[in-house]
Amino acid sequence: DTGVSQDPRHKITKRGQNVTFRCDPISEHNRLYWYRQTLGQGPEFLTYFQNEAQLEKSRLLSDRFSAERPKGSFSTLEIQRTEQGDSAMYLCASSLAPGRGGAYGYTFGSGTRLTVV
Amino acid sequence: GEDVEQSLFLSVREGDSSVINCTYTDSSSTYLYWYKQEPGAGLQLLTYIFSNMDMKQDQRLTVLLNKKDKHLSLRIADTQTGDSAIYFCAERMGTGFQKLVFGTGTRLLVSP
Repeated sequence: DTGVSQDPRHKITKRGQNVTFRCDPISEHNRLYWYRQTLGQGPEFLTYFQNEAQLEKSRLLSDRFSAERPKGSFSTLEIQRTEQGDSAMYLCASSLAPGRGGAYGYTFGSGTRLTVV
Repeated sequence: GEDVEQSLFLSVREGDSSVINCTYTDSSSTYLYWYKQEPGAGLQLLTYIFSNMDMKQDQRLTVLLNKKDKHLSLRIADTQTGDSAIYFCAERMGTGFQKLVFGTGTRLLVSP
């Protein structure tokens, strides 16, 4: 297991289309996070899972966004009816829960860059 | 609020030391982190410091923490052109679930 994998690396879509991204975390990590990063900004928290349970969602996550982690392993992030403002880098990260090496921060994937035209 | 502030840009010559500064918001943050992002890539964890420490050294990297002023800095000794990247500080904050909150990033440019 070499790290956090995200697929695809790049996605160009027309406004109004739906898109889905996938994240495969480090296998022994029980927490998985989604962040969004727009140009010139730091990553912003969207949501996180502990195992298969989605435990917190940011106000940034509108009704058009949904995330799942059905078996507590990989996760998907779907954006419905995409808008130009959704154009960003979507980053996935994983970690152990605090108390089990949580000091070491998150391990991030390389991200999926979404462009909505 | 959740504003973690960083200066936007730093330019140094190869071989010099670089100091990147960060002001965070939550005095109860337990861990503070420095991440590096190269163009088109995700974030790479460089180092972290626990809030009961003042300093941490890791090879060319030195992290200084001033809890009173909520100020964090990252010093890179003998800066190389390969260190050119965007550097983000992040604090782990909140009660219960503690998420990482990132600064806006400092772009470091190292010239030969």
